[in-house]
Amino acid sequence: KQEVTQIPAALSVPEGENLVLNCSFTDSAIYNLQWFRQDPGKGLTSLLLIQSSQREQTSGRLNASLDKSSGRSTLYIAASQPGDSATYLCAVFVDSNYQLIWGAGTKLIIKP
Amino acid sequence: NAGVTQTPKFQVLKTGQSMTLQCAQDMNHEYMSWYRQDPGMGLRLIHYSVGAGITDQGEVPNGYNVSRSTTEDFPLRLLSAAPSQTSVYFCASSYSRVGGNTEAFFGQGTRLTVV
Repeated sequence: KQEVTQIPAALSVPEGENLVLNCSFTDSAIYNLQWFRQDPGKGLTSLLLIQSSQREQTSGRLNASLDKSSGRSTLYIAASQPGDSATYLCAVFVDSNYQLIWGAGTKLIIKP
Repeated sequence: NAGVTQTPKFQVLKTGQSMTLQCAQDMNHEYMSWYRQDPGMGLRLIHYSVGAGITDQGEVPNGYNVSRSTTEDFPLRLLSAAPSQTSVYFCASSYSRVGGNTEAFFGQGTRLTVV
């Protein structure tokens, strides 16, 4: 059974720092991996989607990598800002039953 | 673009009551799904649909029903609410489940409390 783990559960860093969020999954048979942002009381916003054949995707200050063989993905945030404070979730799309399997998220706080 | 619209945003039910959570998307997406989010856990799939007239169960389907009469709408029905169904519910849609862009778009969520 596919399991997705995100460590740490919470992270607090000063503004301006570069940081890395981690996501690991137990079964490498994934179709893609997606990173989301969730603000308190709000819905989920897609940040980056990496297909299983890709190694990384970039959007602005965000860079996501994927290593299927080791079952890992990282989300790199450059020059962090207080507006980046949110919970970041990763999810893998499993072809066999058409669903996203989710990690529990990393709550990120950027201190001004 | 409206994207994925969920209603209501908040709801309080008494144990045993029934209700329907509404979900509509205007992106002509084939694939729609319902998830629940509980504290400290990842989102879990309740039911999903790969097109109008086709639905299937996800990981936690008990106590919920769905139907998909149109491409746009995918309501979730709670048959007899229980306190264990207190959660935040998200509806999602994507253009294609495989072979294409499966990027998922989510509604704002419905926060349901069962007392």
